Amino acid sequence: KAGVTQTPRYLIKTRGQQVTLSCSPISGHRSVSWYQQTPGQGLQFLFEYFSETQRNKGNFPGRFSGRQFSNSRSEMNVSTLELGDSALYLCASSLAQGAQETQYFGPGTRLLVL
Amino acid sequence: AQSVTQLDSQVPVFEEAPVELRCNYSSSVSVYLFWYVQYPNQGLQLLLKYLSGSTLVESINGFEAEFNKSQTSFHLRKPSVHISDTAEYFCAVSDYTGFQKLVFGTGTRLLVSP
Repeated sequence: KAGVTQTPRYLIKTRGQQVTLSCSPISGHRSVSWYQQTPGQGLQFLFEYFSETQRNKGNFPGRFSGRQFSNSRSEMNVSTLELGDSALYLCASSLAQGAQETQYFGPGTRLLVL
Repeated sequence: AQSVTQLDSQVPVFEEAPVELRCNYSSSVSVYLFWYVQYPNQGLQLLLKYLSGSTLVESINGFEAEFNKSQTSFHLRKPSVHISDTAEYFCAVSDYTGFQKLVFGTGTRLLVSP
């Protein structure tokens, strides 16, 4: 079974632009979560989606948004990019909702904001 | 709110030596506990998790971790490490609310040398 895929793998943007990252979960998985990984702040939770509904959101500004489609694929969008948004963005999927569920992570999208 | 502390940012060790990576957590509610491993330029992979029951949990590649409720710890151990174990290890918790928000520690880089 194919793992979690994320596109693109690498991205370079300039300040003020917006960006959309895509995540395809493991087939059959209905829950998708997003995390931001930076050297300074480490791994931080962005949001969680299940059945096209956002169930939980981390402490990030409104410039960060996401959505989930009926096929469980998910996208996250960052508007008005800032230098501090440079990070590795990780998507994770799980079979069902629930804190005990194992989350399977994709390889990430590395975003560089210049 | 939960927090996770991994006191050792880097642990150097020789091949075939034992290793322990420390993890302590703080939470006002019961939590599930996880160890993830990240190899260079890859996403996170689950090593093992504690949900309930036996406080000693094992992974398929020789790692084990013991949940100690009184000390709020979940230290990761391996009796004999290999060069291929060189990676970054993250301890994480999620609470019993049902949401899949993982709170991660800052990570410990395990460096195994010949």
